[in-house]
Amino acid sequence: GENVEQHPSTLSVQEGDSAVIKCTYSDSASNYFPWYKQELGKRPQLIIDIRSNVGEKKDQRIAVTLNKTAKHFSLHITETQPEDSAVYFCAASKNNDMRFGAGTRLTVKP
Amino acid sequence: GAGVSQSPSNKVTEKGKDVELRCDPISGHTALYWYRQRLGQGLEFLIYFQGNSAPDKSGLPSDRFSAERTGESVSTLTIQRTQQEDSAVYLCASSWTSLYNEQFFGPGTRLTVL
Repeated sequence: GENVEQHPSTLSVQEGDSAVIKCTYSDSASNYFPWYKQELGKRPQLIIDIRSNVGEKKDQRIAVTLNKTAKHFSLHITETQPEDSAVYFCAASKNNDMRFGAGTRLTVKP
Repeated sequence: GAGVSQSPSNKVTEKGKDVELRCDPISGHTALYWYRQRLGQGLEFLIYFQGNSAPDKSGLPSDRFSAERTGESVSTLTIQRTQQEDSAVYLCASSWTSLYNEQFFGPGTRLTVL
């Protein structure tokens, strides 16, 4: 089955700096790669996703890149703000079968 | 419309007892997932239902865990003879059937086994 690895497990940045979280996946047939944000005590919520036919997608301060050949994808957050502090999960999906990475705890210091 | 709901929100039980957790997916969502999240940890896949197909049970940690779903409606996750290591938040999510499927999560059930 699909195996998703996520790095780093924790990330601390200064407010205004950029944050990058990286994931790799094992199943080359995976075709959908969402990113979820989970704030403390809350449920995970989708923040951005990318499909396998696209190499990059951007939504305001958040961008995701996908390298299908290397089977890795990354989340980029620019101009980080304290409210970006949360746990971020990447995932890889094939035919609705989705597997999550272990998560990255991002802390943005004011 | 209503999102994914789960009940109970909190469950405290004694070691050895059985528990049943319920998930009501968003109406029309054919795919339903159960995850376990231990404190400060990631989302551990448990089981996945897709329409009337046989569920993917590959994530269930032991035969004490089982889940059912009737059609495209409610699902129940049952844990028999609970152990302290079963203590966690159990999250349910549902999605449409499509190539690109955003999962919508429920609020979770916090299970504490004493």
